[in-house]
Amino acid sequence: EVQLLESGGGLVHPGGSLRLSCAASGFPFNAYAMTWVRQAPGKGLEWVSTISYTGDDYADSVKGRFTISRDNSKNTVFLQMNRLRIEDTAVYYCVKGLRLFDHWGHGTLVAVSS
Amino acid sequence: DVVMTQTPLSLSVTPGQPASISCKSSQSLLHSDGKTYFSWFLQRPGQSPQLLIFEVSSRVSGVPDRFSGSGSGTDFTLKISRMEAEDVGNYYCMQATSLPRTFGQGTKVEI
Repeated sequence: EVQLLESGGGLVHPGGSLRLSCAASGFPFNAYAMTWVRQAPGKGLEWVSTISYTGDDYADSVKGRFTISRDNSKNTVFLQMNRLRIEDTAVYYCVKGLRLFDHWGHGTLVAVSS
Repeated sequence: DVVMTQTPLSLSVTPGQPASISCKSSQSLLHSDGKTYFSWFLQRPGQSPQLLIFEVSSRVSGVPDRFSGSGSGTDFTLKISRMEAEDVGNYYCMQATSLPRTFGQGTKVEI
């Protein structure tokens, strides 16, 4: 059974940093791209970033502030979030896949507030 | 960026009755590899989104056959043949043909 377990969310001031982690199990982790998708409170879904064998990609809204990385030895994907803004407040979901988002974690809440 | 536009934004359906959601993209979702990377997701209240349909019409294993997807190019449709209580939630379309991946605004379906 595929499992994706996010951690690292919390309350942070504007301009601060957080590092999200997603521990994956139940599938050959190093064979799959991994993606982060976020959902602001009461809003829709927004793609944030994907890491694959070809490299990493970012939404314009986070480019230059967020960095996605992975540790295949630990089956974990990370999202380093710097210079956080109030509008980054959202539940961040870890998602398996490059184009086929077939498994989602339960999400971790990031709240940016002064 | 590819803009995904869903209609309607909300829908009230009687149990046992059909429902239909439309999603239009601002440009063709046909990829150079011949596939159309278009998906439908359901987010039940308080839950994470779950993939229902991928590549326009392929149903994920375990998804009831009352759900069906159709369309091509820029126009896509999700149909529920007979609404059930467990189908309540927000439905999102998404394109993965190009970057950035983009979602529709969501359609709230209730009974």
